[in-house]
Amino acid sequence: NAGVTQTPKFRVLKTGQSMTLLCAQDMNHEYMYWYRQDPGMGLRLIHYSVGEGTTAKGEVPDGYNVSRLKKQNFLLGLESAAPSQTSVYFCASSGRENLYEQYFGPGTRLTVT
Amino acid sequence: GEDVEQSLFLSVREGDSSVINCTYTDSSSTYLYWYKQEPGAGLQLLTYIFSNMDMKQDQRLTVLLNKKDKHLSLRIADTQTGDSAIYFCAERRAGGYNKLIFGAGTRLAVHP
Repeated sequence: NAGVTQTPKFRVLKTGQSMTLLCAQDMNHEYMYWYRQDPGMGLRLIHYSVGEGTTAKGEVPDGYNVSRLKKQNFLLGLESAAPSQTSVYFCASSGRENLYEQYFGPGTRLTVT
Repeated sequence: GEDVEQSLFLSVREGDSSVINCTYTDSSSTYLYWYKQEPGAGLQLLTYIFSNMDMKQDQRLTVLLNKKDKHLSLRIADTQTGDSAIYFCAERRAGGYNKLIFGAGTRLAVHP
């Protein structure tokens, strides 16, 4: 039982490049979330999903897209990376029967130059 | 507003108690949480308290909630070097998707 995993762990992009961050969970959770963490700030929600095939915008969705084609995976895409997207990205999941706890992945550190 | 506020840094001596404070904004918040983040790792849920409680104790951890003042605190008794980490306060806002609003985190440094 690996919990929540994220790939890659680190990435450096040039401005304008695209990439996809993958989050996978093996806990059969319905809810999945993508956050970004910036210095001196709390985690901010980018997008979330309440089930397979559904996604919704969080607080800071601009510049990102997501997909939830399979229940266990939640993908975060950057179509045209900008330096303002330099951040640490965390994925989390929670189950409908235990909504009070979100389980977090180890994070992806992304630098856009 | 949306802010959950915490002091950014706390330094304590090993063996002393640590108290990390947090203020939140939404009186309708149902749950309040404390998460711990160790260097290079994701957030780990430490403890949580339901909004109709005013205290919760779990081994070395004591959570106090003052709902009138929207103030939450985390006390760590007998603080150890392994407690050095960033501690995030979060409130769960009403809504169907478990929306959490996080504070900026308090960095706890434990020194001998």
